[in-house]
Amino acid sequence: DGGITQSPKYLFRKEGQNVTLSCEQNLNHDAMYWYRQDPGQGLRLIYYSQIVNDFQKGDIAEGYSVSREKKESFPLTVTSAQKNPTAFYLCASSPKGQGISNTEAFFGQGTRLTVV
Amino acid sequence: AQSVAQPEDQVNVAEGNPLTVKCTYSVSGNPYLFWYVQYPNRGLQFLLKYITGDNLVKGSYGFEAEFNKSQTSFHLKKPSALVSDSALYFCAVRDLGSGNTGKLIFGQGTTLQVKP
Repeated sequence: DGGITQSPKYLFRKEGQNVTLSCEQNLNHDAMYWYRQDPGQGLRLIYYSQIVNDFQKGDIAEGYSVSREKKESFPLTVTSAQKNPTAFYLCASSPKGQGISNTEAFFGQGTRLTVV
Repeated sequence: AQSVAQPEDQVNVAEGNPLTVKCTYSVSGNPYLFWYVQYPNRGLQFLLKYITGDNLVKGSYGFEAEFNKSQTSFHLKKPSALVSDSALYFCAVRDLGSGNTGKLIFGQGTTLQVKP
């Protein structure tokens, strides 16, 4: 089936640790996004990428890093610099080009990260 | 700046009654509007979108939304609510202020509770 796969579903991080969240898509979409979800705050954009080997900061990029070495993959690393990483993280993708504005984004099932 | 507001944190409705989940937006130019639904610990599922054309948009699971340009609103509606409609609903607008990136700006979400 075509879609976006995020792993793991649950992740626990110790203080001072870096952790990486996986996001893979087989939709042949050029654009990929990472959002953070906190209760009552909606979704906030962390990073996005429109093409392989290129990515831009979103609204809350501090303490996070990404890479886009393959079209299908857009992993997110939560570094020790992120002081409040406990949240639900969602990955999404969209096709690029003229259709990007009027085409819906497709979302993965999310990763819940908890600091222990 | 472009923004989306969902004025109600929670909407309660009895099964079989009509439901409305409100959304207002602020954008420069023509808006591209979306509704998504989220079940607990899951990703977002696309319901419907307004790009252009008829102001009444029909989507998945019997949902529809009415675009009102004069009131800058895009309220989600359903004629007869089901208990299984209970979930978190997000309104979103395409961020056209940042060029053709496909980024979405989300409202803070509205929890819909349908009681039997």
